[in-house]
Amino acid sequence: KQEVTQIPAALSVPEGENLVLNCSFTDSAIYNLQWFRQDPGKGLTSLLLIQSSQREQTSGRLNASLDKSSGRSTLYIAASQPGDSATYLCAASTYNNNDMRFGAGTRLTVKP
Amino acid sequence: SAVISQKPSRDICQRGTSLTIQCQVDSQVTMMFWYRQQPGQSLTLIATANQGSEATYESGFVIDKFPISRPNLTFSTLTVSNLSPEDSSIYLCSGTGHSNEQFFGPGTRLTVL
Repeated sequence: KQEVTQIPAALSVPEGENLVLNCSFTDSAIYNLQWFRQDPGKGLTSLLLIQSSQREQTSGRLNASLDKSSGRSTLYIAASQPGDSATYLCAASTYNNNDMRFGAGTRLTVKP
Repeated sequence: SAVISQKPSRDICQRGTSLTIQCQVDSQVTMMFWYRQQPGQSLTLIATANQGSEATYESGFVIDKFPISRPNLTFSTLTVSNLSPEDSSIYLCSGTGHSNEQFFGPGTRLTVL
């Protein structure tokens, strides 16, 4: 059974700083990995999806990487802004989206 | 990307009653799911909603407590039955299309008194 861990649980940075959020998974036979953003009391917004055959995906100031052999994914946020403050969740699927497993999330605060 | 709506957005219910949550997707999706997010925790998959047949439940979740319907490709309901305070959570509907990217609804915040 896939297990997903996110470190750190919380992170506070000053505005403008580049930062990296970490996600690790136990089963390297991964189908895809997806990063989400969740604002307080809201649903999840999809940020990036990385298929098993891909190494990274980019969208604007966000870059997500996938290293199956080491069981790790990172989400890089460039030039952070206060509006980036949210909880970031990663989720990994092993066979198909039936078994998407979520990490506990990293709560990010970007201070003006 | 798919746009997913849920009704109600929140509700406060009495112990022993039931709440039915509706989920509507604006485009056809291949799969629909229901998740629970307990306070301060991450998401746990309740079940996969199958069109025209019984849902597929994860370990720890049963049909009597969480009956699910999916009469067509774009609509599903989740009922949380015989409510207790432990059922207070956010319930989220999601769907995936052919790209395998998963999209979520805004969630339904349930409080049981």
